[in-house]
Amino acid sequence: GENVEQHPSTLSVQEGDSAVIKCTYSDSASNYFPWYKQELGKGPQLIIDIRSNVGEKKDQRIAVTLNKTAKHFSLHITETQPEDSAVYFCAASMGGNEKLTFGTGTRLTIIP
Amino acid sequence: DVKVTQSSRYLVKRTGEKVFLECVQDMDHENMFWYRQDPGLGLRLIYFSYDVKMKEKGDIPEGYSVSREKKERFSLILESASTNQTSMYLCASSSWDSSSYNEQFFGPGTRLTVL
Repeated sequence: GENVEQHPSTLSVQEGDSAVIKCTYSDSASNYFPWYKQELGKGPQLIIDIRSNVGEKKDQRIAVTLNKTAKHFSLHITETQPEDSAVYFCAASMGGNEKLTFGTGTRLTIIP
Repeated sequence: DVKVTQSSRYLVKRTGEKVFLECVQDMDHENMFWYRQDPGLGLRLIYFSYDVKMKEKGDIPEGYSVSREKKERFSLILESASTNQTSMYLCASSSWDSSSYNEQFFGPGTRLTVL
């Protein structure tokens, strides 16, 4: 089955700086890669996703890049703000109705 | 707004007890999922269901069972709770569309402690 590795497990960034979280996946058939953000006391929530026919996608301060050859994808957060502090999970699936396989999570802390 | 609710935020049970975790979604979603979340292990899929009375094993089904008698409700059952089932349990739902990429909507989680 699919295996998703995520690094780093913790990340501290000065407010206003950028943060990057990286994931690798094992199954070349995976073609959908969402990112979820989990705030304290809440369930994860989708913040951005990318499909295999796209190399990069942006939504305001967040962006995701995908390298299918190397089987890795990354989340980039620019101009970080205190409300970006959360746990972030990457995931992979074969799309459609297929299940998601999640990474182990990254706890991001923004230092004021 | 999509809403996924879980019956309890915190639950404390004794070893050997039968435990029921309930999840209800109000968006008429076909798919429902149960995950457990542990530090350093991320979210691991226990069971999922694509339709009423249907269930599929996820990656870690041992020690758990599920029930889906109504479309909006998905229950996770620990037949005989053990200390290694102490964890955060998350329920999620999504719509069924084999041609699309379906966002999963999560509940707030139930933190279960087994003593």
